[in-house]
Amino acid sequence: GQQVMQIPQYQHVQEGEDFTTYCNSSTTLSNIQWYKQRPGGHPVFLIQLVKSGEVKKQKRLTFQFGEAKKNSSLHITATQTTDVGTYFCAGITGNQFYFGTGTSLTVIP
Amino acid sequence: GAGVSQSPRYKVAKRGQDVALRCDPISGHVSLFWYQQALGQGPEFLTYFQNEAQLDKSGLPSDRFFAERPEGSVSTLKIQRTQQEDSAVYLCASTPPRGGYEQFFGPGTRLTVL
Repeated sequence: GQQVMQIPQYQHVQEGEDFTTYCNSSTTLSNIQWYKQRPGGHPVFLIQLVKSGEVKKQKRLTFQFGEAKKNSSLHITATQTTDVGTYFCAGITGNQFYFGTGTSLTVIP
Repeated sequence: GAGVSQSPRYKVAKRGQDVALRCDPISGHVSLFWYQQALGQGPEFLTYFQNEAQLDKSGLPSDRFFAERPEGSVSTLKIQRTQQEDSAVYLCASTPPRGGYEQFFGPGTRLTVL
């Protein structure tokens, strides 16, 4: 069945360092979305990527969708303590959302 | 405006009890999703409604799980004869009628089965 894996599962960085999480799907996706979930909170939408090879930026965050539409990445430049949380990708096929396993980011001040 | 709301926020049930979890989506949102999120895991799809029609229930783990949305707005997820493995956070999300598929999540209901 459909699987969406993310690596790494956990990442600890010093404040100011960069961070990247990678998302890989076992099948080709229509779209991919990224969500952030703070500890004790619920997922909050960050962005959606639709086109093969698409790159989008939101301030210090850069999102990329692979050419084959089976993988994606989220890169954060110069992390801040406010970036703490778990980042999930969600692959979309039809009406189904397949959430990845998540990468938990800890930022050490 | 108001976001997605869920109630109760916390529910403790004894094994074998039935529970009902409620979701109030954002007004005007046609699509509604239920997810199960175990500790340290990503949300897992349970079921999907478009208005009152349940279009996909392939993620429901057993016939003890039942969801409804009779008037196309509020939805209820019912779990019969709860088991310990049902302990999780149950998230509800709704999406706007047009445009992208952005999902707006509620705060979730944390279910603990003793």
